[in-house]
Amino acid sequence: EPEVTQTPSHQVTQMGQEVILRCVPISNHLYFYWYRQILGQKVEFLVSFYNNEISEKSEIFDDQFSVERPDGSNFTLKIRSTKLEDSAMYFCASRVDRSGNTIYFGEGSWLTVV
Amino acid sequence: DAKTTQPTSMDCAEGRAANLPCNHSTISGNEYVYWYRQIHSQGPQYIIHGLKNNETNEMASLIITEDRKSSTLILPHATLRDTAVYYCIVRAPGLQGAQKLVFGQGTRLTINP
Repeated sequence: EPEVTQTPSHQVTQMGQEVILRCVPISNHLYFYWYRQILGQKVEFLVSFYNNEISEKSEIFDDQFSVERPDGSNFTLKIRSTKLEDSAMYFCASRVDRSGNTIYFGEGSWLTVV
Repeated sequence: DAKTTQPTSMDCAEGRAANLPCNHSTISGNEYVYWYRQIHSQGPQYIIHGLKNNETNEMASLIITEDRKSSTLILPHATLRDTAVYYCIVRAPGLQGAQKLVFGQGTRLTINP
């Protein structure tokens, strides 16, 4: 069964450093998402991406965050200057197209900012 | 998207059917009911979805009341690996925009040996 894959599975970074989380969505999918989950809290929507542009973003997705689809397979989330409160599990997800109802999630990248 | 209400936690014995309720009294006519689960901080896993008819797949069954104001996810023979947080989400079909999922707190289901 096709999967959304994410790397790294766990990253520890110092406060103020830049981090890039990588995702390979399911190959024929056109809609891409990032979510995050702070330990013990809800899964929160960050951003959705379609046709090489952001289609929706939440209040959490401020100027320190950016997303990119640099080639035909990868989808990345960049955090420019990490803060302690960015420590969380980050999930990438994808959906096939407008008529596709189901969103599929990756296993997540656990980011620890120290 | 309509709001859902789920019990905070439930227990079920291994091998028995687990019935997880969800209230969505403000659901709109075009909104689907989705169920996802999250096993111990892994990525949310799609289980099943439906509009108004009952649905069944290899993982579960979804029973939606006739007025669509509530639904029940049924895991027919629960195993220890079904211990997870289960999320009931209602969402309009993805015909306009990216149609994100909005997660609530879900139901923490514990399967006991």
